Amino acid sequence: QSALTQPASVSGSPGQSITISCTGTSSDVGTYTYVSWYQQHPGKVPQFIIYDVNKRPSGVSNRFSGSKSGNTASLTISGLQPEDEADYFCSSYTTHNTLVFGTGTKVSVL
Amino acid sequence: QVRLQESGPGLVKPSGTLSLTCAVSGVSVTSTHWWTWVRQPPGKGLEWIGEIYHTGPPEYNPSLKSRLTISVDKSKNQFSLILTSVTAADTAVYYCASRGDYVVLDVWGQGSNVIVSS
Repeated sequence: QSALTQPASVSGSPGQSITISCTGTSSDVGTYTYVSWYQQHPGKVPQFIIYDVNKRPSGVSNRFSGSKSGNTASLTISGLQPEDEADYFCSSYTTHNTLVFGTGTKVSVL
Repeated sequence: QVRLQESGPGLVKPSGTLSLTCAVSGVSVTSTHWWTWVRQPPGKGLEWIGEIYHTGPPEYNPSLKSRLTISVDKSKNQFSLILTSVTAADTAVYYCASRGDYVVLDVWGQGSNVIVSS
């Protein structure tokens, strides 16, 4: 199975909004609303910040939001803060009863 | 509250077998959770390896399926990963994780660093 496609890097200034795309196929993102997003700080364990396309677990800032259109899901971080600097990975369930991750995006806060 | 802890050798020889165990605490492995393995090569992204529900059968990443076995040990409340014929490309941090009511890995272990080298 092929990894979902994400931009290698996205950057923004504090307070700005950025959006990370996650492009899959009709066998994964395009079929299911089971898209999730994970944040990973250097040397740390990944933590989920979005599930079911646009749901936030308790404790995650409402500055993080998710959406999906067709085969592409997106994560938007509004009001960018220095602590948002991390790697972000999307994930989707697939028609083969597997999970697939995105290639990952490094977010830099300028 | 589910807690997970990986254990296993940190060094495996090429062509050898990688074996890891994930101890589960806070819940039974026979509960309504999927038990998952994920790996991350140095400096690279996450790769889903496979997962298992206690009633089986496991689901595997097609690229690893021919070398992979994931199983649950109900008596020890743990699940395991066995990867055969390893190469340097299998060097990675291996995480065990779980998902419950939703299709999201909401609990992760701390990760086990595995190096394949002679």
